[in-house]
Amino acid sequence: DAGVIQSPRHEVTEMGQEVTLRCKPISGHNSLFWYRQTMMRGLELLIYFNNNVPIDDSGMPEDRFSAKMPNASFSTLKIQPSEPRDSAVYFCASSLTAMSNQPQHFGDGTRLSIL
Amino acid sequence: DQQVKQNSPSLSVQEGRISILNCDYTNSMFDYFLWYKKYPAEGPTFLISISSIKDKNEDGRFTVFLNKSAKHLSLHIVPSQPGDSAVYFCAATNSGGSNYKLTFGKGTLLTVNP
Repeated sequence: DAGVIQSPRHEVTEMGQEVTLRCKPISGHNSLFWYRQTMMRGLELLIYFNNNVPIDDSGMPEDRFSAKMPNASFSTLKIQPSEPRDSAVYFCASSLTAMSNQPQHFGDGTRLSIL
Repeated sequence: DQQVKQNSPSLSVQEGRISILNCDYTNSMFDYFLWYKKYPAEGPTFLISISSIKDKNEDGRFTVFLNKSAKHLSLHIVPSQPGDSAVYFCAATNSGGSNYKLTFGKGTLLTVNP
């Protein structure tokens, strides 16, 4: 079975450019999560969706960040304009439902570098 | 304010011996805990979990112990194998909350030496 698929795997771009990260969750999973991993803050939740609806976006750092889930098989995380401090590894994860006993399955991440 | 803390950034053990990874939490509302394992250039993968109604959960070589009064949990790997070398993340959540959210520790790098 295909796991969570993220693209691109690596992105290097210049400050001020728009960045779009993509995620395809596991088929049949109803919950989708976006995380950011940095050395300073570790792995932190940015936003999560349940049945394509954003439930909690309190982790989104600022208005430059936005996330959408237009359908059950696709989500995007957009940064506009990007800044060097946005450099991190961004993970997408999905689970059957948003319940604690349903483990989250992670993609392999997008390593983002903003110059 | 770090609600889930893994105070050892790294741990090195010999193959065949026991690995003990520790995790402390401060939020008394947390009642469900998970361990994830992460290899370089891959996403974290779920390993084992425990509910606060238990104090131990075992799955093969992996056992998680929970001490609620101390707000402490640990992951035991016995026997340790070189393939267990990875970063281990502890995570916690409030299963009864209206908002499902995992809070992760910063991870412990385990190295198992042959």
